[in-house]
Amino acid sequence: EPEVTQTPSHQVTQMGQEVILRCVPISNHLYFYWYRQILGQKVEFLVSFYNNEISEKSEIFDDQFSVERPDGSNFTLKIRSTKLEDSAMYFCASIRTDTQYFGPGTRLTVL
Amino acid sequence: DQQVKQNSPSLSVQEGRISILNCDYTNSMFDYFLWYKKYPAEGPTFLISISSIKDKNEDGRFTVFLNKSAKHLSLHIVPSQPGDSAVYFCAASEGGNQFYFGTGTSLTVIP
Repeated sequence: EPEVTQTPSHQVTQMGQEVILRCVPISNHLYFYWYRQILGQKVEFLVSFYNNEISEKSEIFDDQFSVERPDGSNFTLKIRSTKLEDSAMYFCASIRTDTQYFGPGTRLTVL
Repeated sequence: DQQVKQNSPSLSVQEGRISILNCDYTNSMFDYFLWYKKYPAEGPTFLISISSIKDKNEDGRFTVFLNKSAKHLSLHIVPSQPGDSAVYFCAASEGGNQFYFGTGTSLTVIP
């Protein structure tokens, strides 16, 4: 059965640096999502993406964040200048009809 | 291959009755399990967790049971309420770095 994959599994970066988190959604899915979970807190919606553009985004998804689907397979989340509070698990998900498939997550640690 | 499976895509229960949502996993190294609830157009909300050193964890109306020998996890909601209608995801982790999610079970509680 196909799976959503995410790389890297763990990313450590210095505050102020740019990071790119990568996701490979399931190939015939059309809707893509990024979520994050700060340690000990709930999973928060960041952004959804459809037809090569953002369809919905939360308040968390400010100008420091961007998403791209550069080559039709990868779906990336970029954080331009990381802050300490960006340390979290970041989950990618893709959807077909009403079944949402989550990736395993990338743990981002900002020092 | 999906390491965490929720084989029932949907479940309907009468208000006041027990809802039982099931989850199976394949990786015996998973040591931490979570249940999330998700309403449409929102991110998943953490519900309850259990570590592999326990076989039961209770929080109000929600109880999670873990059967390690069967690699099976279940969530019991008693009594079920209409506001519990949502999609429920189970997730598993080995060491807390990456989380593997099931595909969700859509619960409908009928008033």
